[in-house]
Amino acid sequence: AQSVTQLDSQVPVFEEAPVELRCNYSSSVSVYLFWYVQYPNQGLQLLLKYLSGSTLVESINGFEAEFNKSQTSFHLRKPSVHISDTAEYFCAVSGGGADGLTFGKGTHLIIQP
Amino acid sequence: EAGVAQSPRYKIIEKRQSVAFWCNPISGHATLYWYQQILGQGPKLLIQFQNNGVVDDSQLPKDRFSAERLKGVDSTLKIQPAKLEDSAVYLCASSLGTSGTNEQFFGPGTRLTVL
Repeated sequence: AQSVTQLDSQVPVFEEAPVELRCNYSSSVSVYLFWYVQYPNQGLQLLLKYLSGSTLVESINGFEAEFNKSQTSFHLRKPSVHISDTAEYFCAVSGGGADGLTFGKGTHLIIQP
Repeated sequence: EAGVAQSPRYKIIEKRQSVAFWCNPISGHATLYWYQQILGQGPKLLIQFQNNGVVDDSQLPKDRFSAERLKGVDSTLKIQPAKLEDSAVYLCASSLGTSGTNEQFFGPGTRLTVL
């Protein structure tokens, strides 16, 4: 069984400042890690994922996440946030095979002008 | 390409009533998922179909919830009878392949309020 912990329910940050959203997971098998984003009044959509290979993965809009096996973490970072990044961010894990996703509780990123 | 469609978008019922939700996945997607998202929590997987067969329904409260995927395309999720704690957003998602590593595409959800 897998579980995901997102310790921060809300993260307020000023525009153009850096941000890190924390995600820790537990699993007894190999893991595949995902960040999904939900913009206001929109459905969940994939932001980025780690399956194998390079532990640093990037999204097209400037976010990156690093898979750290020893710390069982997959934190999401962005060096400079924009007002349009305001959204709910969900970390999720899958054990592969035919597994569905196990989600964390989500972190609400609030960008302050 | 059309996304995952869900209806209705909102539903208000009284406890002990029945309700059904409908999902039309992206064309050609083999795998379909139903998630329950209670306010303040992340989505929780209720049931997963591959084509028209159930892969995982371990978290589905089978005494009151049922789901089917007719002909491996559309799916319906039913609650009978509803309880107050069933108030949540019900999300449908689909993926092209059958592996848990495939990207899942989510619909807009159905917000259920049980009074």
